[in-house]
Amino acid sequence: KAGVTQTPRYLIKTRGQQVTLSCSPISGHRSVSWYQQTPGQGLQFLFEYFSETQRNKGNFPGRFSGRQFSNSRSEMNVSTLELGDSALYLCASSSGRAQDTIYFGEGSWLTVV
Amino acid sequence: EDQVTQSPEALRLQEGESSSLNCSYTVSGLRGLFWYRQDPGKGPEFLFTLYSAGEEKEKERLKATLTKKESFLHITAPKPEDSATYLCAVQANSGNTPLVFGKGTRLSVIA
Repeated sequence: KAGVTQTPRYLIKTRGQQVTLSCSPISGHRSVSWYQQTPGQGLQFLFEYFSETQRNKGNFPGRFSGRQFSNSRSEMNVSTLELGDSALYLCASSSGRAQDTIYFGEGSWLTVV
Repeated sequence: EDQVTQSPEALRLQEGESSSLNCSYTVSGLRGLFWYRQDPGKGPEFLFTLYSAGEEKEKERLKATLTKKESFLHITAPKPEDSATYLCAVQANSGNTPLVFGKGTRLSVIA
């Protein structure tokens, strides 16, 4: 079956702009999580959505937001981009049940110039 | 606070030279410990989940083991295609908590 799909794969934005990233989870999965990966900090949790509700949130500023649609697809938005937001943004999906496997997409590479 | 520490940061092996990667963790009740492999420019690829101390899982040349404080990823007779960054993550057993990742071990296998 199809894996986790993220779009776009690569993008370049200018400081101060905003960006929207999209994630389609594995069919049947209702939980979508977002992570930011940088060389210095590793993978850091942004937020998780389950059945269109934010179930958990990491320690990121309010410029980072997300949402989930009724078909479980999710988007994350970063407003007023800063140079430090340059990173690989990873989406992960699971059924949302305890002890379920969590699968990652290929990520969206964001460069802020 | 849940924490994961992986060692070494980088490991260089000759093809066929077996070794182990370490993942030490502190967590307020373990729901699961996850191992992923990540190739450059790609997302993490799921390898194993371990749930309780004493559990072991194998896949090809990889074997993961778990104790109450750490996990090991043993690589037997590695090949160049095993070169990647190996990530360890834990999930606490309290509500719907996210994965907490270590910084990873970057493995290079030289032919």
